Amino acid sequence: QKEVEQNSGPLSVPEGAIASLNCTYSDRGSQSFFWYRQYSGKSPELIMFIYSNGDKEDGRFTAQLNKASQYVSLLIRDSQPSDSATYLCAVSGYSSASKIIFGSGTRLSIRP
Amino acid sequence: DAGVIQSPRHEVTEMGQEVTLRCKPISGHDYLFWYRQTMMRGLELLIYFNNNVPIDDSGMPEDRFSAKMPNASFSTLKIQPSEPRDSAVYFCASSLAENEKLFFGSGTQLSVL
Repeated sequence: QKEVEQNSGPLSVPEGAIASLNCTYSDRGSQSFFWYRQYSGKSPELIMFIYSNGDKEDGRFTAQLNKASQYVSLLIRDSQPSDSATYLCAVSGYSSASKIIFGSGTRLSIRP
Repeated sequence: DAGVIQSPRHEVTEMGQEVTLRCKPISGHDYLFWYRQTMMRGLELLIYFNNNVPIDDSGMPEDRFSAKMPNASFSTLKIQPSEPRDSAVYFCASSLAENEKLFFGSGTQLSVL
């Protein structure tokens, strides 16, 4: 079992709809959870982080965390073509709190 | 701030040659990470440092790989000898503190022929 798992996609969503991206992790001791966006040929950039169970909203983005189910998700409302990218889930708290492990990413495509 | 600076941006070398990748973290950041990204394996953590001290190198694939951080503003990742399977994008990232946001450099695209 991989430490951080994501569906590789591609996930195709019409413009203006809600995109839902999911991630599961194997270590119950994980403490911090991050979503990074990576455009093709570019480096990852942070878009959301969450530490506590529940929802966290920032503009069109909502991160959801359920530690009991070891599940974290990212919702993108009113999807735009500029949201087309690979979304990487990252988790820290493995053996040591500062070790940050990434999932393999989900490719998201927003169709006009 | 200029962000995390990596060099070179592209490196093409022949199998068996030594390769050195360089990274300058953001000033004041206590943590420095080296990652490798491929289509097959995604973004893999190779090694990370805290205050210039290597904390976890369990992701370093084998003895051909080594990393150093001689001071707070410079780190190197060396591959000797290089092999075609080392071809990947190598990212350096730094963070201000534990569990904080990672700032990534632009990466080094390594091709070993």
